[in-house]
Amino acid sequence: NAGVTQTPKFRVLKTGQSMTLLCAQDMNHEYMYWYRQDPGMGLRLIHYSVGEGTTAKGEVPDGYNVSRLKKQNFLLGLESAAPSQTSVYFCASLGREFRGNRRVCFGPGTRLTVL
Amino acid sequence: GIQVEQSPPDLILQEGANSTLRCNFSDSVNNLQWFHQNPWGQLINLFYIPSGTKQNGRLSATTVATERYSLLYISSSQTTDSGVYFCAVGISSGSARQLTFGSGTQLTVLP
Repeated sequence: NAGVTQTPKFRVLKTGQSMTLLCAQDMNHEYMYWYRQDPGMGLRLIHYSVGEGTTAKGEVPDGYNVSRLKKQNFLLGLESAAPSQTSVYFCASLGREFRGNRRVCFGPGTRLTVL
Repeated sequence: GIQVEQSPPDLILQEGANSTLRCNFSDSVNNLQWFHQNPWGQLINLFYIPSGTKQNGRLSATTVATERYSLLYISSSQTTDSGVYFCAVGISSGSARQLTFGSGTQLTVLP
């Protein structure tokens, strides 16, 4: 299993440009999440999905949109990037409890810089 | 929403020392996990521990759900233990399964 993968690993955008971050998981997990991590602020939830075709807002959803057309993929879109969206973005997934465990699995992260 | 506080924010140890990291949370939870973020940014899941005690090698964790705290113990620390340790908690509300993260404990283990 590849686990959770993210594409791309790095990206530099100019203010106003758009882009899509792709997250894929091969563990048949129901739940998927997008977090951003900023220095000294831990991880904050942007959007999440509890299943294919569903999405919901997290703690910091403004300026982002998401889609979950397929169970294994969760896309994060920035329609008009702003310097405040410079961050490291992590995707995560969570499946049903198995043998007493219900662990969240994280992808490797995408480092985004908006100039 | 639920509040998660971790202490201490920073910890510097000599190799071989033991340490205890604490996570306090403000509401009842049905999901609590500890993560290690290594210096390369990778987040590794250490424990899923909504209650009770678990051990994995030199690491162990205890969650006292009724008192709303969890502890992560690191024994005989090694330089490879350096990084940020995060506690994350979740509550079940309908079909939601959100995890809220604390701000982390930055651990530095000196050789």
